[in-house]
Amino acid sequence: DAGVIQSPRHEVTEMGQEVTLRCKPISGHDYLFWYRQTMMRGLELLIYFNNNVPIDDSGMPEDRFSAKMPNASFSTLKIQPSEPRDSAVYFCASSPGTGWDEQYFGPGTRLTVT
Amino acid sequence: AQSVTQPDIHITVSEGASLELRCNYSYGATPYLFWYVQSPGQGLQLLLKYFSGDTLVQGIKGFEAEFKRSQSSFNLRKPSVHWSDAAEYFCAVGEGGSYIPTFGRGTSLIVHP
Repeated sequence: DAGVIQSPRHEVTEMGQEVTLRCKPISGHDYLFWYRQTMMRGLELLIYFNNNVPIDDSGMPEDRFSAKMPNASFSTLKIQPSEPRDSAVYFCASSPGTGWDEQYFGPGTRLTVT
Repeated sequence: AQSVTQPDIHITVSEGASLELRCNYSYGATPYLFWYVQSPGQGLQLLLKYFSGDTLVQGIKGFEAEFKRSQSSFNLRKPSVHWSDAAEYFCAVGEGGSYIPTFGRGTSLIVHP
């Protein structure tokens, strides 16, 4: 398996623009996680899905952020409108879902909002 | 709720020297404990995990960690560091039922030749 795939790897956009980050989890994994990593706040869990259903989105910073998982092989994290403080590295991870399984992280998307 | 503290933001060691990265957690019962490593420009990778049983856990890349309940600690160790070990190391803790770990702020390891 190719591992967790994220696209794009780098995104530079202007404030106010819509940004969509994409993730393809490892086939057969039931859990999908979206994290944000910044120097100031470290690694934060934004939202996670189980079998395509959002379970906990309490980490989503505000209504400008939304995440979807239309099927088992694809998820998106959307920011609309984007702001400079959204600049961060966004990670997607997936897990087989059998209790405390290892989370497999993608390489991340580095987002810069100017 | 559980919490995890990594007291050291940066650690610098010489290649070949031993290494210990500290991790302290706050949780009433026996937690689920993890160490992840993040190489530059990459995602996190699991080094090892502790759920129960032997308190000394062996992981990949020659790392080990010891769970000490009395000290609420789960420190990561390696007897001889290689230059390729330079990375960011994250301790994570979870409580039964939620299955979602909380990550520490990370410790950046710098290895001098």
